[in-house]
Amino acid sequence: GDSVTQMEGPVTLSEEAFLTINCTYTATGYPSLFWYVQYPGEGLQLLLKATKADDKGSNKGFEATYRKETTSFHLEKGSVQVSDSAVYFCALGSRDTGNQFYFGTGTSLTVIP
Amino acid sequence: ETGVTQSPTHLIKTRGQQVTLRCSSQSGHNTVSWYQQALGQGPQFIFQYYREEENGRGNFPPRFSGLQFPNYSSELNVNALELDDSALYLCASSLPSGPRDGYTFGSGTRLTVV
Repeated sequence: GDSVTQMEGPVTLSEEAFLTINCTYTATGYPSLFWYVQYPGEGLQLLLKATKADDKGSNKGFEATYRKETTSFHLEKGSVQVSDSAVYFCALGSRDTGNQFYFGTGTSLTVIP
Repeated sequence: ETGVTQSPTHLIKTRGQQVTLRCSSQSGHNTVSWYQQALGQGPQFIFQYYREEENGRGNFPPRFSGLQFPNYSSELNVNALELDDSALYLCASSLPSGPRDGYTFGSGTRLTVV
């Protein structure tokens, strides 16, 4: 069945460091791919999305490219800030999955000044 | 536009009891999904409602049930609570294009079963 595998955390970076969080997926159809962010005590916020192969999603300096050949959707940011500290979830969804989203287990990021 | 609002924010129940969680969807969104997020895990799909009918269900037992109302708000009911039901319950709303465009999540209800 469909699934998402995310890089294990936690990840600790210094401010202005480069961030990569790996995400790979397994899907039988043609899913859309998403990154969500969860700040402490809050729900999930959509960070970015890509709906087809080779699409690049971007928002707030974060980027991820939908790579069908490697079944990946890695999240990157060139220079992280303390305010980026949160848990990041990779997810896929499509009508082939019965409208449900499959989430990874989350990667906790802490950025230190 | 208003976002997704959930109530209550926190709840403590005793094993065997029943609980009802509520969700108001984002304005204009007619599809509501419920997810269970255990501590340290990603959210797991419980079910989805569209036009007041269940429109997909995850691997959860029948004691998890729901309703959607004409104004698109929704309830999640859990009967015969078990300790493992302790989790953050997230409501998400969308247009029917949700699987392509993404869902808007509420802040969740933290349920503790003792």
